[in-house]
Amino acid sequence: EVQLVESGGGLVQPGRSLRLSCAASGFTFDDYAMHWVRQAPGKGLEWVSGISWNSGSIGYADSVKGRFTISRDNAKNSLYLQMNSLRAEDTALYYCAKAHGSGYFDYWGQGTLVTVSS
Amino acid sequence: QLVLTQSPSASASLGASVKLTCTLSSGHSSYAIAWHQQQPEKGPRYLMKLNSDGSHSKGDGIPDRFSGSSSGAERYLTISSLQSEDEADYYCQTWGTGIRGVFGGGTKLTVL
Repeated sequence: EVQLVESGGGLVQPGRSLRLSCAASGFTFDDYAMHWVRQAPGKGLEWVSGISWNSGSIGYADSVKGRFTISRDNAKNSLYLQMNSLRAEDTALYYCAKAHGSGYFDYWGQGTLVTVSS
Repeated sequence: QLVLTQSPSASASLGASVKLTCTLSSGHSSYAIAWHQQQPEKGPRYLMKLNSDGSHSKGDGIPDRFSGSSSGAERYLTISSLQSEDEADYYCQTWGTGIRGVFGGGTKLTVL
């Protein structure tokens, strides 16, 4: 059974940093691209960042480019999102998602909540 | 620019059918999409991948009541024999070249 478990969320002040983690199990982690998707309170889904199986290709939404860094450790079956210079508008539930080979997301985690507030 | 457009809301009666629409932006009518369901207070759940020719492949455990079809730049999700648990937000998603994702704004389905 595929499982994606996010952690690392919490309350943080504007301008500070936070690192999210996603622990994956139930599939061969290093065969698949992985993504982060977020959902602000009462809003829709917003793609944040993605990384290919070997970290050779990485993409970011314009809203986080230059502030967020995605990475993965295939030996630990883990995905990460380093979030720097956090803003109030980064407040959201952050989901980890597994990508199928052709690009759609076929499994989702339950999310970890990030609240940016003074 | 690759954009997906969805109606904000839809409603249908218990036991009836409903057809939700996702429209691809100009120049992208050949793109495949995926449909995802998000029930209240839950994470998203993958429903199906839908190709431009209407062929689709569903996720694990998705009931036969959920089906997909395509026409031009439009991608449809049809839910038949509506049940109360189908009341949810439905998102379409696609992907461009490289590593990126694109979501539609979502449709909130109310089951009357």
